[in-house]
Amino acid sequence: QKEVEQDPGPLSVPEGAIVSLNCTYSNSAFQYFMWYRQYSRKGPELLMYTYSSGNKEDGRFTAQVDKSSKYISLFIRDSQPSDSATYLCAMRDTGGFKTIFGAGTRLFVKA
Amino acid sequence: GAVVSQHPSWVICKSGTSVKIECRSLDFQATTMFWYRQFPKQSLMLMATSNEGSKATYEQGVEKDKFLINHASLTLSTLTVTSAHPEDSSFYICSARVPTGYEQYFGPGTRLTVT
Repeated sequence: QKEVEQDPGPLSVPEGAIVSLNCTYSNSAFQYFMWYRQYSRKGPELLMYTYSSGNKEDGRFTAQVDKSSKYISLFIRDSQPSDSATYLCAMRDTGGFKTIFGAGTRLFVKA
Repeated sequence: GAVVSQHPSWVICKSGTSVKIECRSLDFQATTMFWYRQFPKQSLMLMATSNEGSKATYEQGVEKDKFLINHASLTLSTLTVTSAHPEDSSFYICSARVPTGYEQYFGPGTRLTVT
């Protein structure tokens, strides 16, 4: 079993839809959770990061962490064609040296 | 957010030659940098972790003598692909961790094509 599971998609939605991207993990020691956006042929861009459980909102993006279920989510409201990219979840424990990445979900937002 | 640059962004080289890729943290000092490799439509594959002033730690299956990593200063790490072969053609991305936090910031990547 992989430490982090993420559905690779692709996920196709119409413009304006609410997008839900998710990851599950197996290591209960993970405390730091991040979401990256990667456009084709570009490096990943850090979108949001959270510590432990809870929600964090930034504009159209909301990150949620449910440690009891070992489940994290990224919601995108009012999705735009410019949101079309691959979204990677990432996580790390307090004493860990490496960041563990999900496989990435490819998102297409159709105009 | 913090800025990480990479140079060159794209390079073509002939089989048997060596190529050096530079990774710089522009507005922070990075004691730890990471080098990843990414194939089309696949996720990031960690190659090695480099710490300033010490030898890099390579992931299992990554050839140390082929992929030379040097973290000479707190803002610069280099990856040299030695005796490159067509199978080394890939997208190489570096990343740096901020010293006071847990976030990692990525460079824009370098596309290497070996002919």
